[in-house]
Amino acid sequence: DIQMTQSPSSLSASVGDRVTFTCRASQGISNYLAWYQQKPGKVPKLLIYAASTLQSGVPSRFSGSGSGTDFTLTISALQPEDVATYYCQKYNSAPRTFGQGTKVEIK
Amino acid sequence: EVQLVESGGVVVQPGGSLRLSCAASGFTFDDYTMHWVRQAPGKGLEWVSLVSWDGDNTYYADSVEGRFIISRDNSRNSLYLQMNSLKTEDTALYFCTKDMSSSAWSAFNIWGQGTMVTVSS
Repeated sequence: DIQMTQSPSSLSASVGDRVTFTCRASQGISNYLAWYQQKPGKVPKLLIYAASTLQSGVPSRFSGSGSGTDFTLTISALQPEDVATYYCQKYNSAPRTFGQGTKVEIK
Repeated sequence: EVQLVESGGVVVQPGGSLRLSCAASGFTFDDYTMHWVRQAPGKGLEWVSLVSWDGDNTYYADSVEGRFIISRDNSRNSLYLQMNSLKTEDTALYFCTKDMSSSAWSAFNIWGQGTMVTVSS
């Protein structure tokens, strides 16, 4: 099975900072990659699909890139409401594996 | 409004069985592949199982293969997860979710609020 590895596991940044974190697949998955945001005590929310397509209603400060095995999620200017754990997920085949998550906090 | 509502979560003893349900509304249920995803307390998301739109194809995570059975009743707009031989490590919040596309495997755009399963003696 393909494994999904996210880094870092957590980060702390200031409001307004540009934040980037990564997701690596153990084998190529083309662009079958999604990013989810889960705020504390809340249900996961789809942010990006097809590696770089922003889900409707998601702020434009979020962007995704990558293809094959290496992917990134960028927040161009971190906001207090972005405090959450972010998960990547492959969906080219089963199992639809998630990464272990990156927890984002405000410094 | 598109909605998924899970039910059936309880406290159960190790080795026991449980059936979770998910009621769907606001979309054409039998067009979409459906999934169960779980989250143990303080841990990350773990994909558990999927069932194709017609119920003919199912897949499971290795951690539940042979113990859990996913099914659906399109006439009732409902998804189910039969959980057998439960272990303490199955303790988690179980989410029902759906593919966003009806024509290809895709990301999960709608999630239920989850139902809590606790396996403990």
